[in-house]
This record gives sequence, structure tokens and C-alpha cells, in this order.
Amino acid sequence: AQKITQTQPGMFVQEKEAVTLDCTYDTSDPSYGLFWYKQPSSGEMIFLIYQGSYDQQNATEGRYSLNFQKARKSANLVISASQLGDSAMYFCAMREGPTAAGNKLTFGGGTRVLVKP
Amino acid sequence: DAGVTQSPTHLIKTRGQHVTLRCSPISGHKSVSWYQQVLGQGPQFIFQYYEKEERGRGNFPDRFSARQFPNYSSELNVNALLLGDSALYLCASSLVEGVTQYFGPGTRLLVL
Repeated sequence: AQKITQTQPGMFVQEKEAVTLDCTYDTSDPSYGLFWYKQPSSGEMIFLIYQGSYDQQNATEGRYSLNFQKARKSANLVISASQLGDSAMYFCAMREGPTAAGNKLTFGGGTRVLVKP
Repeated sequence: DAGVTQSPTHLIKTRGQHVTLRCSPISGHKSVSWYQQVLGQGPQFIFQYYEKEERGRGNFPDRFSARQFPNYSSELNVNALLLGDSALYLCASSLVEGVTQYFGPGTRLLVL
């Protein structure tokens, strides 16, 4: 079974509108971390936001927020007020186990976002 | 502050050859991880090193090896290159284990 599933291969969004990128995960470990990264065409992975499994509140970082629904095992990324520079691939990733378990991240297949002016 | 740096940026090799990719972590970061990203897919974990010790290995053949140096920089070596090794190789560093990893620009390897 896929550990990280991103069901939207691609989507268009109008500039200045909000967009939600879906991510569902599968793990039996009670301790885990969820990450979102942005990958422009240049290839570099840019860290956006992190949510720990024990965090009580949804994470927010500027225009990025994470809609964390633990019971549903979903961690959707919300980008508010989209900008042309937001056009990129977006990856959801998971670290299974506590931080001491190491750095292995499992990535989803990604969602390509294209912001239209 | 400088981010994660990787060299070379691009590389073309032929089947059967050997390649060495290099990574310098963010200053102060002690953990380095390597990922392979084949075109159209998400990155796949290859190795993690922390304080110069291997801390994790992904599902890759023994042709892949890595090491971390006393200054925390790292090398990824791939022997007997196959066409399927063509990919973007990403290096990521983190302050310690398990926390946010910051990625470098990657090395694009093409095997002909």
C-alpha cells in the first residue's frame, strides 16, 4: 500500500485565490511527522511546512497552512492568495517514527500547480 | 547563510562507469541524507548519515554507497552505472536527526 497518496496529479488555480492540495498517509506508528515541499522547475526542494502527529494545532507558515485530520489520516496543504511564483510541483512527505528514528522521508507522487494570471 | 550545496550540477556518464556526487550541508547541520528522484516521481530515500555514521539505507543495490566526512560533507558513489540510474540526486541536511531537512539544488545524472 502507498504510504503517501496525492490524488491530484495537476491543477490550475486563479491568481489570488486559495488552493487545497490533498495528501493522505498510511502508518501504524503513533509518532510521525508530515512535511510539504515545493519543487520549482529548477529542481530544488523547498521546505514549506511541518506537522507533528502529536501537535494539537494545525501548522501555519505565512500563506501556507496544513489541514491536519488525524483520524482520516490526511494532511492537506492550503495555499492562500496564490501568486504566479507558486506554480510548481508540491510534494507531501512523511517521517515514520519519532525524530530519533532518523531522517527517512517517504514522498508522494506530487501535485503540479499552475497559477493563472 | 549558505544553503546545501551539491556538485556537480550536471553529469553525463556511460553504462558501467562510476560516479561520485558531493554534498556540503548547511553550516552546523550534522545529518546528511541522499534521495534519488526519477523523472515524474517523488524522491526516494537512499542513505542517511549522522555524525559520520550510516543511520539509514533505502532499498537500493550495493552499487550505491556513501560516506560522511569529519566536516559533515558527504559523497554518494554509484558503481557500474545503469540506464535506470539516470535521475536527479538530491542531498538534504538537518541539524540533527528527524527534524526538517533542507535540500540542495541536486545533481542531474544522465547515463547513456
